[in-house]
Amino acid sequence: GAVVSQHPSRVICKSGTSVKIECRSLDFQATTMFWYRQFPKKSLMLMATSNEGSKATYEQGVEKDKFLINHASLTLSTLTVTSAHPEDSSFYICSARDQYVEQFFGPGTRLTVL
Amino acid sequence: RKEVEQDPGPFNVPEGATVAFNCTYSNSASQSFFWYRQDCRKEPKLLMSVYSSGNEDGRFTAQLNRASQYISLLIRDSKLSDSATYLCVVNKGSYIPTFGRGTSLIVHP
Repeated sequence: GAVVSQHPSRVICKSGTSVKIECRSLDFQATTMFWYRQFPKKSLMLMATSNEGSKATYEQGVEKDKFLINHASLTLSTLTVTSAHPEDSSFYICSARDQYVEQFFGPGTRLTVL
Repeated sequence: RKEVEQDPGPFNVPEGATVAFNCTYSNSASQSFFWYRQDCRKEPKLLMSVYSSGNEDGRFTAQLNRASQYISLLIRDSKLSDSATYLCVVNKGSYIPTFGRGTSLIVHP
């Protein structure tokens, strides 16, 4: 299957700082990427759908000014958690969709905000 | 009613057992369906797509029942390595995926 990378895999930061997470499709072009958040023992929650060259579509309840998404190319999308707080601590996972609708997930980023 | 519902389990079965999970969805216009497997603290990985006619991949069989709006996953001859959380994914219009909360499977010796 296709490969999606995510960086960093783990980040610990102080409250109030901003954290950028990168999601890359390594061997295919992804016009659409998705950003998810998963709390322990909970389901994946879709945060936003990111389309290359256009503004992201956020799910209800997700603050677009808090979670900035940029999808500047067909292989890269970034999620920036601005002014992170402890309640933002979570597992953030991106996925990229190929032309056949199949989704490939990145390995996830575990964010801990102190 | 949630868009995609799964029994969280856990399903606790011995090695060699056959186990089945169901997943119901509320949007009758849903277009495509998948089963993913997620190991603890890892990302989900695609297990199999679910086709209208049903499909099989080794010990795994997936079925779709559009009339009753559910999909199922059957695992035969369970292995210890099958222990994981199985996520049902339903794509609605524009192929926006919705995940179920997952069903936890524990296979014991």
